[in-house]
Amino acid sequence: GAGVSQSPRYKVAKRGQDVALRCDPISGHVSLFWYQQALGQGPEFLTYFQNEAQLDKSGLPSDRFFAERPEGSVSTLKIQRTQQEDSAVYLCASSQRDGVYGYTFGSGTRLTVV
Amino acid sequence: TQLLEQSPQFLSIQEGENLTVYCNSSSVFSSLQWYRQEPGEGPVLLVTVVTGGEVKKLKRLTFQFGDARKDSSLHITAAQTGDTGLYLCADKGGSNYKLTFGKGTLLTVNP
Repeated sequence: GAGVSQSPRYKVAKRGQDVALRCDPISGHVSLFWYQQALGQGPEFLTYFQNEAQLDKSGLPSDRFFAERPEGSVSTLKIQRTQQEDSAVYLCASSQRDGVYGYTFGSGTRLTVV
Repeated sequence: TQLLEQSPQFLSIQEGENLTVYCNSSSVFSSLQWYRQEPGEGPVLLVTVVTGGEVKKLKRLTFQFGDARKDSSLHITAAQTGDTGLYLCADKGGSNYKLTFGKGTLLTVNP
């Protein structure tokens, strides 16, 4: 596609509910990143994929967070048993290599846990 | 861990005014990137600077990179309402791929 597509744009979840956020990167982009952006803050790194391999998941806040990219294209970020502190915008970005020319970000999914 | 400090945190100006925002790092930048993020959207890359002392211009935006590669500034001339947004600086630090972002400067340009 022309850009990075994320869905849903908005998600309201009850505390304790599981959610799945989808990212469709630019076709041919090898690298895919997930970032979390809390209100009034800059994005913070969550995880990094090169093709289907998850090379870095050091930013995932807890074991309730899980990300996958099984075929090296679409990626899903799953959050189990959501808590209020998970409320944030989740941004996906892709790049041709390791982001040496910068990333292309999607519009994000705004998650609100009530 | 690299820390990026951006100032000011908020800036509200009238259309036509000039402004400068700043980004300072606790360690030498490897490859500094500036992004603009509009409400409800993801960040959009404006420029990448690598060389100390580098100056890049993008229409009314001028980006400067300090000689010591620990500070950078973004100057906007004759601001327009379309310049409104969150300006973020980011750097990879010692990583090959992971970007560390500052908290950003939220710019509002009033008509």
